[in-house]
Amino acid sequence: EVQLVESGGGLVQPGGSLRLSCAASGFTFSTYAMSWVRQAPGKGLEWVSSISPSGESTYYPDSVKGRFTISRDNSKNTLYLQMDSLRAEDTAVYYCAPRRSGPNPFDYWGQGTLVTVSS
Amino acid sequence: EIVMTQSPATLSVSPGERATLSCRASQSVSSNLAWYQQKPGQAPRLLIYGASTRATGIPARFSGSGSGTEFTLTIGSLQSEDFAVYYCQQYNNWPLTFGGGTKVEIK
Repeated sequence: EVQLVESGGGLVQPGGSLRLSCAASGFTFSTYAMSWVRQAPGKGLEWVSSISPSGESTYYPDSVKGRFTISRDNSKNTLYLQMDSLRAEDTAVYYCAPRRSGPNPFDYWGQGTLVTVSS
Repeated sequence: EIVMTQSPATLSVSPGERATLSCRASQSVSSNLAWYQQKPGQAPRLLIYGASTRATGIPARFSGSGSGTEFTLTIGSLQSEDFAVYYCQQYNNWPLTFGGGTKVEIK
């Protein structure tokens, strides 16, 4: 059974930093691209970043480019998201989601971790 | 960036009736289109990928169609557990983008 457990969310002040983690099990982590998707309270889904199976390639939308860094540790089956220079509009539930390599959807989703950016 | 537009924003349907949801892409995404279902307080769940292929364990009453820029999700006979928000998503181009969602509510 696929399990994705996000952690590291919480309350942070504007301009602050936070590091999210996603512990994965139930599938061969090192063969899947991984992504973060977020959902602001009462809003829709927004893709935040993706990383290739090896970690060699990373992708970001303009809204977080230069502020967020995605990484992974295949030896620990864990995905990370380092979030710096946080803004109020980054407030959201952050989900991690695996994708098979190539153009593919998000097969599974974790339960998410809430990040609140507020003073 | 490819903009995904879903309509209607809200769909009121009686149990047992058919529901038809639309998703339009601002440029062609081929068949690289997925549909997700999200219930309150839960993570999204993959329903359809490749525009028309049901994901594992998804009931046959869910069907997807379309290619290029116009896509449809049809729920054949709505069950109580199907009342939720549905999102389409294109994975043909970076950045990956989602539609704004269609809420299917009980009439």
